[in-house]
Parts: sequence; structure tokens; C-alpha cells
Amino acid sequence: AQSVTQPDIHITVSEGASLELRCNYSYGATPYLFWYVQSPGQGLQLLLKYFSGDTLVQGIKGFEAEFKRSQSSFNLRKPSVHWSDAAEYFCAVGVFGNEKLTFGTGTRLTIIP
Amino acid sequence: KAGVTQTPRYLIKTRGQQVTLSCSPISGHRSVSWYQQTPGQGLQFLFEYFSETQRNKGNFPGRFSGRQFSNSRSEMNVSTLELGDSALYLCASSLAGRASGNTIYFGEGSWLTVV
Repeated sequence: AQSVTQPDIHITVSEGASLELRCNYSYGATPYLFWYVQSPGQGLQLLLKYFSGDTLVQGIKGFEAEFKRSQSSFNLRKPSVHWSDAAEYFCAVGVFGNEKLTFGTGTRLTIIP
Repeated sequence: KAGVTQTPRYLIKTRGQQVTLSCSPISGHRSVSWYQQTPGQGLQFLFEYFSETQRNKGNFPGRFSGRQFSNSRSEMNVSTLELGDSALYLCASSLAGRASGNTIYFGEGSWLTVV
């Protein structure tokens, strides 16, 4: 069975600074990977996804993520964060042909002025 | 086009009652999945429906059930509510073709409080 680890429960970043959120997955075959963002009281918004091909994927709101098979990682990055990026971020792994996603425990991002 | 729509957004129920939550997927999407989100357990998969058939099931008791209609709309039902069922219930939809991975979109969720 697949699993996802987000080792950072909470990260605080200054506005304008760069951001990297870590995600490690465990799965025997090639996974498909997602990053979602959740603002307080809201549902999940898709930031980006990786299915195959180019290992650096671009998403919405200036986010990108890099799939590294050798490290079983799919870290999320943003070069310069904005106060509106404060939210909880979830990494998820899925399997081709199966709609079930397995989520990490999330990383809460706080932005300070 | 409209996203995944869930109703109601908020509801309060009493222990022992039952509740029905509704989900309308994105137009053209045939797969609907349900997730439970709680502070203690995080996001957990409940079940997935495709073409009115349950295709996947998570590890939840039989009190949790669902169904899907011919127009792909889905409902989930929780019977004999317990305090621990208080959670955000999220619905997700996708095209669900088996040939490749699918992008999965989520709704805003239904907040259930059991008192």
C-alpha cells in the first residue's frame, strides 16, 4: 500500500522569502502525485500534479514541484511567498487506474511580515 | 464550468441520528469519491463510486454508506451518528478513465457536528 510523509507539521516563512515543503512517498510502482492547498474552512484546491514525463511541474499561484524517483520525493517550491499563501498544504499519492488518494498529514504554512 | 458542489455546507446532528450528504460532480465526471477529514486522523478515504457502483472502499464501519445516481450525483449516509463522526466530509470527482491517471477535484466540503 502507498503512503505519504510530510515531515514538517508547521513552517513559518517571511513574506517574500522562498519556500520548500517536503513530501516523501512510498509506493512500489510509478505513482501519480498531487499537491493540494486548503484555506481555513475550505475544501482542497489543486495546485499541481505529476503523472509522467518532465519531472519539474508547474502549478497555479507560482508553485512548482519536482519529482525525484531516487529520493521518493515530490517537494513543493515557491520562489517568493505572499501573505495569501498562508494555508495548509497536502501532498497526495495515487495509483494509475484507481481514484483513491492517500494523503500526507499536511504542513501548515504561516507567513510573517 | 461549475466545480464540485456539496450540500449542505454545515449541519448539526444529535448522537444516534442519521445524516445524508450530497455531492454533484463536475459536469462529465463519472467518478465520485468521499473523504473524511478530522484533526486527529487527517484525510481518510471513505469510498468511490463509478457508474452507480462502489468501486473502492476505505476502512470505515458499515454505518457509512453511499450511492451514486445515473447522473453521477452521489450521496453519502452515516447512520447512528457518534460524536467521533464530527468532521469535514469532502467529495471529489474525476473523469475516471482507466487508461491513465486522472486529475481529482474536490468540493468545499460539508461540516458535520455531532452533539
